[in-house]
Amino acid sequence: NAGVMQNPRHLVRRRGQEARLRCSPMKGHSHVYWYRQLPEEGLKFMVYLQKENIIDESGMPKERFSAEFPKEGPSILRIQQVVRGDSAAYFCASSPQGSEETQYFGPGTRLLVL
Amino acid sequence: GENVEQHPSTLSVQEGDSAVIKCTYSDSASNYFPWYKQELGKRPQLIIDIRSNVGEKKDQRIAVTLNKTAKHFSLHITETQPEDSAVYFCAASGNSGYALNFGKGTSLLVTP
Repeated sequence: NAGVMQNPRHLVRRRGQEARLRCSPMKGHSHVYWYRQLPEEGLKFMVYLQKENIIDESGMPKERFSAEFPKEGPSILRIQQVVRGDSAAYFCASSPQGSEETQYFGPGTRLLVL
Repeated sequence: GENVEQHPSTLSVQEGDSAVIKCTYSDSASNYFPWYKQELGKRPQLIIDIRSNVGEKKDQRIAVTLNKTAKHFSLHITETQPEDSAVYFCAASGNSGYALNFGKGTSLLVTP
């Protein structure tokens, strides 16, 4: 079992560009969560998705950020018109049906906005 | 919303000693409390979790206790080893059910 996969592992963008972060859940997991971690901080919940559905996006900034988990393919976290404050580590986690709280994390994508 | 406080922020122990990390939470509806270990530059790894219908859970050198009345839970590591050195995060399930609210982390250093 390869575990939760994320790519890219590192991403550098200039202000105003778009960032696309991908997450493939563990085999057999149908629930995906995105968290953001700032340096020296804990993880902050952003969004919870199931296939083709956004279940909870209460932690997602209202503008520039969007997420999807299509029927086929990985979950995507998209940040438009990035600003320096978006620089952080973005972690994806997945959980199996029936044990949604038990979340296993991917290696993260470290986004640096210049 | 849920607020999780964690302390201490740093903890240094000698190899073989015990380490205790404490967390408090604010939402009485929270019912799931995992602990994650994160080494530098790595992913958070789930090391142990506890649900609200259980007061204590143990897995080898690691144990977690939960006091629902006081709304606090603790991680206990016995016979610490240098490879236990990492940042440890507590979390609690939020009132939306599945989103986890994390503490700010405890940086544990185990010196030989």
